[in-house]
Amino acid sequence: DTAVSQTPKYLVTQMGNDKSIKCEQNLGHDTMYWYKQDSKKFLKIMFSYNNKELIINETVPNRFSPKSPDKAHLNLHINSLELGDSAVYFCASSQDWVRGPNSIPNYGYTFGSGTRLTVV
Amino acid sequence: AQTVTQSQPEMSVQEAETVTLSCTYDTSESDYYLFWYKQPPSRQMILVIRQEAYKQQNATENRFSVNFQKAAKSFSLKISDSQLGDAAMYFCAYREYGNKLVFGAGTILRVKS
Repeated sequence: DTAVSQTPKYLVTQMGNDKSIKCEQNLGHDTMYWYKQDSKKFLKIMFSYNNKELIINETVPNRFSPKSPDKAHLNLHINSLELGDSAVYFCASSQDWVRGPNSIPNYGYTFGSGTRLTVV
Repeated sequence: AQTVTQSQPEMSVQEAETVTLSCTYDTSESDYYLFWYKQPPSRQMILVIRQEAYKQQNATENRFSVNFQKAAKSFSLKISDSQLGDAAMYFCAYREYGNKLVFGAGTILRVKS
């Protein structure tokens, strides 16, 4: 069973098209994320959702719209694709950070295998 | 804003030897976590090791260990008995309470046979 699965793994499309990337996690995590890895391998957060609520939106063009139908799914829809959108997009999930005696000593993220988007 | 700096774009190590990857970070918080992730050519992001800031003891996972210097805001990764399968991009990452995971720029590790 894959913990965080995203589809498709590869996506080649023409400029101006609209495309979606899907992500699902079966870890029971409350928070999900989209990260973009550019050609220099730099990883930058795009969005974060907690229990279907948008928490983080990091200066991302309006052409990118995340959608979370439930806390196990976070999809990314991209309108009017541009050449500069070519990158690897990672979905990730994590547990909520709970302070105090019930804190769980693992607040790292679990990542999906990434979607390589190529816009031509 | 939190920043994570990896000053070594690329490192090489001979098989079976030891290598240390450097990482420094900037924060005014006292409660945070630090991580090292490995990204092999398959591009999967794999958690290698994590460190809670409130713990003074350095984390260890088999051949991987860290040197956590909280006052110096330094978090280096030591890989002992390097293997060919260790060749990958390594990312240092930082997370504080209520906030996102922030990554460094990464260090490419090459392992020579």
